Amino acid sequence: QVQLQESGPRLVKPSETLSLTCIVSGGSFNSVSYYWGWIRQSPGKGLEWIGYVYYSGTAYYNPSLKSRVTISIDTSKNQFSLNLASVTTADTAVYYCARTISANYFDYWGQGTQVTVSS
Amino acid sequence: QLGLTQSPSASASPGASVNLTCTLSSGHSNNAVAWYIQRPETGPRFLININSDGSHYRGDGIPDRFSGSSSGAERYLVISSLQSEDEAEYHCQAWGAGIQVFGGGTKLTVL
Repeated sequence: QVQLQESGPRLVKPSETLSLTCIVSGGSFNSVSYYWGWIRQSPGKGLEWIGYVYYSGTAYYNPSLKSRVTISIDTSKNQFSLNLASVTTADTAVYYCARTISANYFDYWGQGTQVTVSS
Repeated sequence: QLGLTQSPSASASPGASVNLTCTLSSGHSNNAVAWYIQRPETGPRFLININSDGSHYRGDGIPDRFSGSSSGAERYLVISSLQSEDEAEYHCQAWGAGIQVFGGGTKLTVL
């Protein structure tokens, strides 16, 4: 059974960088079939795709966030990470990591982690 | 531009069936769509992937009460024999050209 677990600071100050890590257990992390993604959900809102990364390190980003987002992968540790720069209160959300097969649907999700941007 | 539209809310009675609709934006009627269930205070869970021809694939452990169909640009999540535990938010998702989009979600109330 594939399991994903997000970790990182729950509180970030405005203008700073939000950094989260997702550790994956079970399954084959290095499979050519999988992309590893980040999705967020602001309070009372729908889901917003942030981006995903392939095992090779190639990443794809939501155009609306592209200038501020970096997603990286460490296959030796079965983990991938999200950096979101210059955050504002609009970036307050629950952040989820998830696995996608061939960059299609997300078949496994983490439980999510609440990140609040506040001074 | 790829986009998805969902009705904000739906309701049905226990034991009944309900169709939730996800509509693809113009020019994308051949895209597949995935559906997710999100119960209160939990993360989304993959339910089903629906292709343009109506063929579908359910996620691990998803009962066959959940099925899908397709007509033009619309992708339907069909839930039969509704149970109280089906009361949740339902999200649809599509993809293409390195982009992923989600609909706004439908809140299903089981009366």
